[in-house]
Amino acid sequence: NAGVTQTPKFQVLKTGQSMTLQCAQDMNHNSMYWYRQDPGMGLRLIYYSASEGTTDKGEVPNGYNVSRLNKREFSLRLESAAPSQTSVYFCASSEAGRGNQPQHFGDGTRLSIL
Amino acid sequence: AQKVTQAQTEISVVEKEDVTLDCVYETRDTTYYLFWYKQPPSGELVFLIRRNSFDEQNEISGRYSWNFQKSTSSFNFTITASQVVDSAVYFCALSEEDSWGKLQFGAGTQVVVTP
Repeated sequence: NAGVTQTPKFQVLKTGQSMTLQCAQDMNHNSMYWYRQDPGMGLRLIYYSASEGTTDKGEVPNGYNVSRLNKREFSLRLESAAPSQTSVYFCASSEAGRGNQPQHFGDGTRLSIL
Repeated sequence: AQKVTQAQTEISVVEKEDVTLDCVYETRDTTYYLFWYKQPPSGELVFLIRRNSFDEQNEISGRYSWNFQKSTSSFNFTITASQVVDSAVYFCALSEEDSWGKLQFGAGTQVVVTP
């Protein structure tokens, strides 16, 4: 049972390059989320998708775009990478959009932007 | 706006000692949910527990216990008889009822258990 799968696990980019982080879940969850983790700051929500066909901004959306491709997949795109976007990115999913469901996380993508 | 504060940045203990992690939260909602997650050195996030705002019963699960007090807006976590495998970063998080599951995380507390 894979749970939440993120690709790639590691990536190094140059400033200005673009890339897409992929996320897929096999738990038939309705809601999916993208977070970034920076030292001393915990995880901060970038974007989320409450259900298939909807997306919305989180706490730190600037510089990112997302696509909920289908119920399983939720991708995060950096159009023009900046050093400030160096971080560890986590994708998560939960059964329903209500706040009472625990989120299940992928293993993270460690992204460095030079 | 909701907010979660974990004032302890790092706690170091010797194996078999107890360790308590503090979590204080702020929310205007009457219905909300509190979570603890563990992040071991390997980096993944592991769900430990969820507590509803209307259920103040404390909970024990093996060596883990949680103390939820609405009066002080705290949801503290204790590891009894710590082991080296407990070394990790522990995150407290808050979600409100109609927030579509969005989690507000604290900054995390690094627990270091030495033999």
